[in-house]
Amino acid sequence: DSGVTQTPKHLITATGQRVTLRCSPRSGDLSVYWYQQSLDQGLQFLIQYYNGEERAKGNILERFSAQQFPDLHSELNLSSLELGDSALYFCASRGGEGETQYFGPGTRLLVL
Amino acid sequence: AQKITQTQPGMFVQEKEAVTLDCTYDTSDQSYGLFWYKQPSSGEMIFLIYQGSYDEQNATEGRYSLNFQKARKSANLVISASQLGDSAMYFCAMRGRSYNTDKLIFGTGTRLQVFP
Repeated sequence: DSGVTQTPKHLITATGQRVTLRCSPRSGDLSVYWYQQSLDQGLQFLIQYYNGEERAKGNILERFSAQQFPDLHSELNLSSLELGDSALYFCASRGGEGETQYFGPGTRLLVL
Repeated sequence: AQKITQTQPGMFVQEKEAVTLDCTYDTSDQSYGLFWYKQPSSGEMIFLIYQGSYDEQNATEGRYSLNFQKARKSANLVISASQLGDSAMYFCAMRGRSYNTDKLIFGTGTRLQVFP
């Protein structure tokens, strides 16, 4: 158990819909990262937050947005969903001077 | 640009034998980190081992060791005494410190199958 929690574990929705994925980092970790794992794109970095502020963006679509709240949990919002958005979405957190990002169990999104 | 290359899509190893999973990287950063993660069929990403670019000794964590050859830009994972539970996807990743982010860049992974 990495200490990072993600909900829900599975999500099935239809094209055009909007969903919210939630992540709670390890206790005290200020950095939160979101990654997408798909069959065609592999594991890709989406966005990073540090103590509530956006730090960096990767290959994140404009239909996607995220935020980190004062209690350090983070949410990834996916809107106008398309079939190609079906993927495993991971949240990871890192704390202090540690180098390692610890991953949550992921949310498996299926868009029908 | 930073890149991780894993050239072995799949590997087989017999139980109790050692196996090496290859990883090469490309970066212009002077300071970087290299990681290996395990992804079993259940899907979670499990951290295995970390090597910093300035670390003089190869990292070891139990049955896992990282064979770091800086001049060759390789960071191979060695699993000793393989167990059936080691069957999984293994990802090599790199962390650089560019553009105000320490995001991870992943390779395409190697699927390891351990047979009795």
